[in-house]
Amino acid sequence: AQSVSQHNHHVILSEAASLELGCNYSYGGTVNLFWYVQYPGQHLQLLLKYFSGDPLVKGIKGFEAEFIKSKFSFNLRKPSVQWSDTAEYFCAVNRYGGSQGNLIFGKGTKLSVKP
Amino acid sequence: EAQVTQNPRYLITVTGKKLTVTCSQNMNHEYMSWYRQDPGLGLRQIYYSMNVEVTDKGDVPEGYKVSRKEKRNFPLILESPSPNQTSLYFCASRKRDRESHGYTFGSGTRLTVV
Repeated sequence: AQSVSQHNHHVILSEAASLELGCNYSYGGTVNLFWYVQYPGQHLQLLLKYFSGDPLVKGIKGFEAEFIKSKFSFNLRKPSVQWSDTAEYFCAVNRYGGSQGNLIFGKGTKLSVKP
Repeated sequence: EAQVTQNPRYLITVTGKKLTVTCSQNMNHEYMSWYRQDPGLGLRQIYYSMNVEVTDKGDVPEGYKVSRKEKRNFPLILESPSPNQTSLYFCASRKRDRESHGYTFGSGTRLTVV
């Protein structure tokens, strides 16, 4: 079955540290890839997405992600985190073709940034 | 403002008492979906709909029903709620196009079943 794995359950960083959150998916066909962020008490917001083309995708708030097809990975990065980046981050995969409504989420990674 | 609106935001109910959580979007989106979010489990899809009168089960459909009689509305129905359905529920919608911006999420409904 199609699945999405996020390697870290909880990441704690100090401000200005660099961030990399891992995401791997299991589906071998064409996929659309997303990262969502959920700030405390809020709903999910789209950070960035990948459909095709340049595998390095830039999103909002200085985040970027790199799609590596051979590794089935879509890791999220930010060179220098801020306290306001404290949130939960979700990777999601939408399989292209077939059941397109079926967006599968990872279990999420909580990021805590210490001021 | 383009948005997905869920009601109610908070709901406490008793086991077995039927309830409906409403979801409405004003973006003319074809796809709509319901997720539940539980600690340590992330978001799991309950049901989704690709258009009016077209619905399909997600990963955790047991105990839930949906309907899509109109494009803008996608209510979630719990015929006989049980405590294991206590969760945070999100409705989401998006356009059908492959290169759409991804799902837009509602603000969530926190349901407690006692």
